[in-house]
Amino acid sequence: DAGVIQSPRHEVTEMGQEVTLRCKPISGHNSLFWYRQTMMRGLELLIYFNNNVPIDDSGMPEDRFSAKMPNASFSTLKIQPSEPRDSAVYFCASSYNRGNQPQHFGDGTRLSIL
Amino acid sequence: RKEVEQDPGPFNVPEGATVAFNCTYSNSASQSFFWYRQDCRKEPKLLMSVYSSGNEDGRFTAQLNRASQYISLLIRDSKLSDSATYLCVVSNQGGKLIFGQGTELSVKP
Repeated sequence: DAGVIQSPRHEVTEMGQEVTLRCKPISGHNSLFWYRQTMMRGLELLIYFNNNVPIDDSGMPEDRFSAKMPNASFSTLKIQPSEPRDSAVYFCASSYNRGNQPQHFGDGTRLSIL
Repeated sequence: RKEVEQDPGPFNVPEGATVAFNCTYSNSASQSFFWYRQDCRKEPKLLMSVYSSGNEDGRFTAQLNRASQYISLLIRDSKLSDSATYLCVVSNQGGKLIFGQGTELSVKP
């Protein structure tokens, strides 16, 4: 079975540029989560969706970050404009939200903003 | 206070040793509990769920004490391949996972 698929795997761009990260959750999963991981702050939840609806975006750092889930099989996380402090690994995870099932993570996108 | 707190580590142990990780959580309404493993530069992967009665999976044993809000992971006969960061994870209502900072384990030959 295909797991959570993220793209790109690596992104290097200059500050001020728009960055779009993509995620395809596991088929049948109805919850999708975006995380950011850095050495200093560990793994932080940015936003999560249930049945394509954003439920909690309190972790989104500021207005430069936005996320969408237009359908059950696709989500994007966008940063505009990007800044060097946004450099991190961004993970997408999905789960079947019944009985608090565990989440399955994608390989992550390593983002470097120069 | 962090919602999920773990031993800071790192733990450096020889092959074959038994090692235990501890974790406490602050929200008494937490519903589900997990241990995840994360290898360097990889994604977190589910190691095992933690049930109230305690559960075992091969060399790994997880325990949950709801009264003390405490979770543990025991690894017996540790292998070189067990070297990783172990994340204590707590799920609140709605399936939102709260991750601990992780405990680094290094198993030496």
